[in-house]
Amino acid sequence: KQEVTQIPAALSVPEGENLVLNCSFTDSAIYNLQWFRQDPGKGLTSLLLIQSSQREQTSGRLNASLDKSSGRSTLYIAASQPGDSATYLCAVIWGAQKLVFGQGTRLTINP
Amino acid sequence: DTGVSQNPRHKITKRGQNVTFRCDPISEHNRLYWYRQTLGQGPEFLTYFQNEAQLEKSRLLSDRFSAERPKGSFSTLEIQRTEQGDSAMYLCASSLGDPQYFGPGTRLTVL
Repeated sequence: KQEVTQIPAALSVPEGENLVLNCSFTDSAIYNLQWFRQDPGKGLTSLLLIQSSQREQTSGRLNASLDKSSGRSTLYIAASQPGDSATYLCAVIWGAQKLVFGQGTRLTINP
Repeated sequence: DTGVSQNPRHKITKRGQNVTFRCDPISEHNRLYWYRQTLGQGPEFLTYFQNEAQLEKSRLLSDRFSAERPKGSFSTLEIQRTEQGDSAMYLCASSLGDPQYFGPGTRLTVL
């Protein structure tokens, strides 16, 4: 079964720290992987998309990496700010068009 | 705003009633997706359209659920004879390929 797992479910860090969110998936034959941000009660905002042929993508303070052979992706957030507090979701497309999501990591940045 | 829009944003209904949600995708996007998200979980795929053709349906989409995209533009999701277990956020997304862009969601509460 193709599954996505995100650990930890929640993370709390002081403002200014660099941090890493983890995502693992069960089948390495992915088409692409997408990271999203979700604020409470809101829809999803796409942060970064990594194609299966890529190793990483960067946008501002965010960097996402992909290691298909180990079935892992990480989202690195540099110099965290209170406005980064949200739930971060990892999702994989394996070939059908549907995204398969992890359960998310709820991130709190403390001022 | 030219993003994905969903209406209504919130719907409260009594068990047994029928409800219908609407999704308007980004105008040039030919693909449209419906997902369902329950509290504390990642979204789960429900169904996918390419233009007006419904190409995939999840087993989560019981016979009480029906989705249409009659002219390849907006889409509707109808739930008949609602049950308390249908309470969730219903998310719509659209794309031309990758990535998928999400709307704000419709939160359904079944009393």
